[in-house]
Order: sequence, then structure tokens, then C-alpha cells
Amino acid sequence: GAVVSQHPSWVICKSGTSVKIECRSLDFQATTMFWYRQFPKQSLMLMATSNEGSKATYEQGVEKDKFLINHASLTLSTLTVTSAHPEDSSFYICSASSPVNTEAFFGQGTRLTVV
Amino acid sequence: DQQVKQNSPSLSVQEGRISILNCDYTNSMFDYFLWYKKYPAEGPTFLISISSIKDKNEDGRFTVFLNKSAKHLSLHIVPSQPGDSAVYFCAASKDTGNQFYFGTGTSLTVIP
Repeated sequence: GAVVSQHPSWVICKSGTSVKIECRSLDFQATTMFWYRQFPKQSLMLMATSNEGSKATYEQGVEKDKFLINHASLTLSTLTVTSAHPEDSSFYICSASSPVNTEAFFGQGTRLTVV
Repeated sequence: DQQVKQNSPSLSVQEGRISILNCDYTNSMFDYFLWYKKYPAEGPTFLISISSIKDKNEDGRFTVFLNKSAKHLSLHIVPSQPGDSAVYFCAASKDTGNQFYFGTGTSLTVIP
């Protein structure tokens, strides 16, 4: 199947700093990328949907100024957690799809810990 | 509002027996459903899908059943193997390639 690479796989940062997470589709052009967040023992919650070259669409309750999403190319989307706080600590997962795919392909996830 | 629900957070099954994981949804606009398997600290892996024009889809040991009138789908794994132990998420979308809504997951443990 298609490959989606997410980097880094884990990161620890200090409160108040910003962290960037990258999501790359390695062998297909991802016209749409999704960012999810998972809290312990909870479901994957969709944060935002991004289409290449346009602004991301955020789900209700997700602060767009805090979670900056850029989808500048068909193979790369980035999520930047700005001014991170301990409550932002979570597991963030991206997925990518294209018009020819019938399922979304997921990255490995990024474990963010804010201390 | 949780549009996709998995009411059983965990399930234990003996190796060789059948595992049945259930999923319910509330949005009648959903027309495409998927099951994902997830190991700890990894991204979900696609397992099997079904569109609303079908009521069954089979792939090896995995079969997904869809009951549109009941807004219910289930994943059957037979025979279950210890390597099947993972968290299983069902997901639904309104059209292929669009955003997915996930259930809360069911942790399956297959006992050798």
C-alpha cells in the first residue's frame, strides 16, 4: 500500500515553545491530508483537513492559531503546535488520501510531550 | 457528538475462535466504512472496507458486514490469531477520499 511518513515520531518540548510535525506521502500525491489527535484511551479526533494549496479547514473547537497547518505541496503537510502547553501533550497522527485512493493512509504518529 | 460508536472497549477471544467487533453510527449520510488496526504508538493500518451498496465484504480471515437499516457494522475475524491482538477502529465517511469519523476503538486480545 501507499506510504505516509510522519516525523518526528516523538518529541519533548518546553512549555511556550513551538513544535513542527511533518507528514509526507512518499509514493503518491496527496491532494488531501488530515490531522488527528488521540488522547489516552480515546478515539482519534479529527483536528483539521487540508487540501494542497489552500487553507486548512478546522473542526469545531480546534484553535487554528494554535495548530498551524500548511499543505504547500502534494507530498508534504506540516502541523505546527505554537506556544505549546502541557495540555497539548498527545499523540498526533496524519493521514493522506488522493482521488484515486479509497482509503486513507496513516503516518506512524508523533508523541508530543510538553514539559 | 460521537457519530461513530464502538460500545465494547475490550474483547478477549481464544486463539482459533471467532472475534466479532461491533460498530454503530448515527449519520445516515455515511456511505463508506473502514476498519483500521492499531498497535500502541503506531499509526492505524487499513484492514478492510465496505461501501453502502454492499452488505458484506470478505478478505481472507476478515469479513465486514453492514446493516444499513440498523446503522450497524461488524468485523469478523476467523480464526483469531495472537497477532491479531490490537486496537480496532471503525471509521465512516460521507464519500471516498473524504474525512473520516472514527469510533472509540475496541482492544482485542487473542489468548493463545
